[in-house]
Amino acid sequence: GAVVSQHPSRVICKSGTSVKIECRSLDFQATTMFWYRQFPKQSLMLMATSNEGSKATYEQGVEKDKFLINHASLTLSTLTVTSAHPEDSSFYICSAREGLFTGYTFGSGTRLTVV
Amino acid sequence: KQEVTQIPAALSVPEGENLVLNCSFTDSAIYNLQWFRQDPGKGLTSLLLIQSSQREQTSGRLNASLDKSSGRSTLYIAASQPGDSATYLCAVETQGGSEKLVFGKGTKLTVNP
Repeated sequence: GAVVSQHPSRVICKSGTSVKIECRSLDFQATTMFWYRQFPKQSLMLMATSNEGSKATYEQGVEKDKFLINHASLTLSTLTVTSAHPEDSSFYICSAREGLFTGYTFGSGTRLTVV
Repeated sequence: KQEVTQIPAALSVPEGENLVLNCSFTDSAIYNLQWFRQDPGKGLTSLLLIQSSQREQTSGRLNASLDKSSGRSTLYIAASQPGDSATYLCAVETQGGSEKLVFGKGTKLTVNP
């Protein structure tokens, strides 16, 4: 089945620094990938839709300049949290799917802690 | 705006019991509904995908049904095992929703040995 790989699984960074998270579709091409954020004991909140070769589409309330998304190839999307602050600490998960009639496959998630 | 509700929020059962998790959604114009499992601190594992034209899907001890007109889905787990303990999430893809999934808040299942 379709596999989505996400790295790193955990990262701790200092306030003010930037962190990049990678999401790769291993055995299929994905023109669209999705980035979610999950707060403790909450469900997933869609942050943005990553579109290969074009700008990402951000959900209302998500800061484009803080959460930079790049989808430079059909198998890789990256999320960069810029000038991270403790309130950005969260669990970030990406997803993609092989085709319009297949289900979504999720990465294993990245636990970001900003100290 | 599509809203997805899952009941109950938490469920604790003894091993071997059959159980049902419920999911309801407000907009019946969906492409599909997907059930996921999430273990603590982990990503989501897809369990079952039901297309809008289907009534149910089965995989092993899991059976998911879909009643699109009433906006309901159930996930039936037979002969539950401690390894089934996890949070179960229901998500729908709404027509005209730009491929976005809308998630419920999940049901946290604990199966006691």
